[in-house]
Amino acid sequence: QKEVEQDPGPLSVPEGAIVSLNCTYSNSAFQYFMWYRQYSRKGPELLMYTYSSGNKEDGRFTAQVDKSSKYISLFIRDSQPSDSATYLCAMSIGFSNTGNQFYFGTGTSLTVIP
Amino acid sequence: DAGVTQSPTHLIKTRGQQVTLRCSPISGHKSVSWYQQVLGQGPQFIFQYYEKEERGRGNFPDRFSARQFPNYSSELNVNALLLGDSALYLCASSLVFQTYNSPLHFGNGTRLTVT
Repeated sequence: QKEVEQDPGPLSVPEGAIVSLNCTYSNSAFQYFMWYRQYSRKGPELLMYTYSSGNKEDGRFTAQVDKSSKYISLFIRDSQPSDSATYLCAMSIGFSNTGNQFYFGTGTSLTVIP
Repeated sequence: DAGVTQSPTHLIKTRGQQVTLRCSPISGHKSVSWYQQVLGQGPQFIFQYYEKEERGRGNFPDRFSARQFPNYSSELNVNALLLGDSALYLCASSLVFQTYNSPLHFGNGTRLTVT
């Protein structure tokens, strides 16, 4: 079983729609949760960074973490064509004797249609 | 401020050859990590370096090695290249090693093609 599971999509929505992206994970020791956006031929760009359970909002983006269900979500409101990209979830235990390794999902490809 | 910079942008190598990839972290960041991203997959952890010491190693063969220099820049070396090593190699830096508010900041990667 993979540490982090993410539906690869592709996901196609009309401009202005609310987008929901999700990941599940198996390791209950994960404490730090991130969402990255990756455009074609670019490196991942950090969107959201949360610690433990709860919600965090930043502009049109809302990240939710439910540690009891081992489930995280990213919501994008009023989606724009410029949001078209691959979205990666990532998580980390934090410091351990093997460093601070981040575990990534496979990424969900999103296209926002004008 | 400049972000994470990686060189070269692209590389084409032949099976059996050796390659060296370079990374400069964001100014003030002392931790550098290397990730491999195969097409259609998420990044996979290779190494983490902090204060010039290896602090973590992923499930990669000994053909992969890295080092960090006094200025916190880093090199990733891959020997005896295989076709399966073809991937985007990402370098990421972070501000502080142990505290929770240390997400990774990535460069745009080096795309390695092994023929």
